[in-house]
Amino acid sequence: QKEVEQNSGPLSVPEGAIASLNCTYSDRGSQSFFWYRQYSGKSPELIMFIYSNGDKEDGRFTAQLNKASQYVSLLIRDSQPSDSATYLCAASESKIIFGSGTRLSIRP
Amino acid sequence: DAGVTQSPTHLIKTRGQQVTLRCSPKSGHDTVSWYQQALGQGPQFIFQYYEEEERQRGNFPDRFSGHQFPNYSSELNVNALLLGDSALYLCASSLGWGQGTKPLHFGNGTRLTVT
Repeated sequence: QKEVEQNSGPLSVPEGAIASLNCTYSDRGSQSFFWYRQYSGKSPELIMFIYSNGDKEDGRFTAQLNKASQYVSLLIRDSQPSDSATYLCAASESKIIFGSGTRLSIRP
Repeated sequence: DAGVTQSPTHLIKTRGQQVTLRCSPKSGHDTVSWYQQALGQGPQFIFQYYEEEERQRGNFPDRFSGHQFPNYSSELNVNALLLGDSALYLCASSLGWGQGTKPLHFGNGTRLTVT
């Protein structure tokens, strides 16, 4: 069974700090990796995707990929209360498989 | 630019009944995927349609079936509903298939309750 694992949290981070979210995947054939944000009662929305080893930055968000360690992470700089949500990590070799999500809470 | 639209928003059914959920993909997208999301869980992949054919399937029984129409819209059908089928059903669209995985764009989902 191909899996994507995330710590369910909740992860509590003070406002203005860096939030670090982590994810591991089991399928070494995975080529594409995604981070989605899901507010309670809403559908997932795409934050970032990454295909190559290394870092990819977009505004306050940085995705990091290490294929050798089968590890993906998302850093959120200058965390805001509006960043409080569940963050879903996903990996794909052909179909996109999601983890169960990490609940992030930004405390003022 | 129209996003992914799903209908209905909410649905209540009785055990043993059948249900059909509908989805129109984002403008310009041609691939539709369906996911089931139980409370507190991540989305679970049901299947994916491209060029009116089921291309990928997750670990769901044959009670779950689907269809894609020439205009790229899609339906998800679930027969012989069980209490455990209660969940948020998400439709997601993307562009292309078989040439690397493109990001999914999700609709607002259909909340199905089976009593």
